Amino acid sequence: DIQMTQSPSSLSASVGDRVTITCRASQSVITWLAWYQQKPGKAPKSLIYGASSLQSGVPSRFSGSGSGTDFTLTISSLQPEDFATYYCQQYKSYPLTFGGGTRVEIK
Amino acid sequence: DVQLVESGGGLVKPGGSLRVSCAASGFTFSTFTMNWFRQAPGKGLEWVSSLSGTSRYIYYADSVRGRFTISRDNAKNSLYLQMNSLRAEDTGLYFCARDRGTGNAPSHLDYWGQGTLVTVSS
Repeated sequence: DIQMTQSPSSLSASVGDRVTITCRASQSVITWLAWYQQKPGKAPKSLIYGASSLQSGVPSRFSGSGSGTDFTLTISSLQPEDFATYYCQQYKSYPLTFGGGTRVEIK
Repeated sequence: DVQLVESGGGLVKPGGSLRVSCAASGFTFSTFTMNWFRQAPGKGLEWVSSLSGTSRYIYYADSVRGRFTISRDNAKNSLYLQMNSLRAEDTGLYFCARDRGTGNAPSHLDYWGQGTLVTVSS
């Protein structure tokens, strides 16, 4: 199984800050990597797929990069609606696996 | 618009059974691989099972293999998860999600339902 490790597990930031979340895979997933946003009690929402492609309707302040084993999600200017938990997920092979999540909190 | 609506969750005793459903609309259901995920209270996301559009390819997490059965009825645009021999650790919010892939290769998940809560407790 491919293990996904996210860091940090939580962070505090202010509106307008640039935020970076990292995700590391235990083996290469090439660019078969997605990022999701989840708010409490809600369904996950797709943000990024293919490591760097923006899902339709997602604001351009979200971006993804990386390949192989190391990936990054960046929010260029944090907005109030961005406070949530973010998950990376590999889809190179079954079982599909997620990182442990990064909770972005208001500073 | 794509919509996925889960139902069928509830309280069940350990060792019991439950079937949850996912009603899909707004897209050609039979074309897409569909998935079940779950999230224990306060925990992260866990993949449970995947089923290709024609039901040819089926995958299960080790934690549920032999106890859970995924199925679909393309005529009813519905996905199901039959859960038997339930354990306390199966407690959580169960989500269905559409996979952009086809056939036996997974892809990213572009639409998710709101989830249905399954509680396993005596």
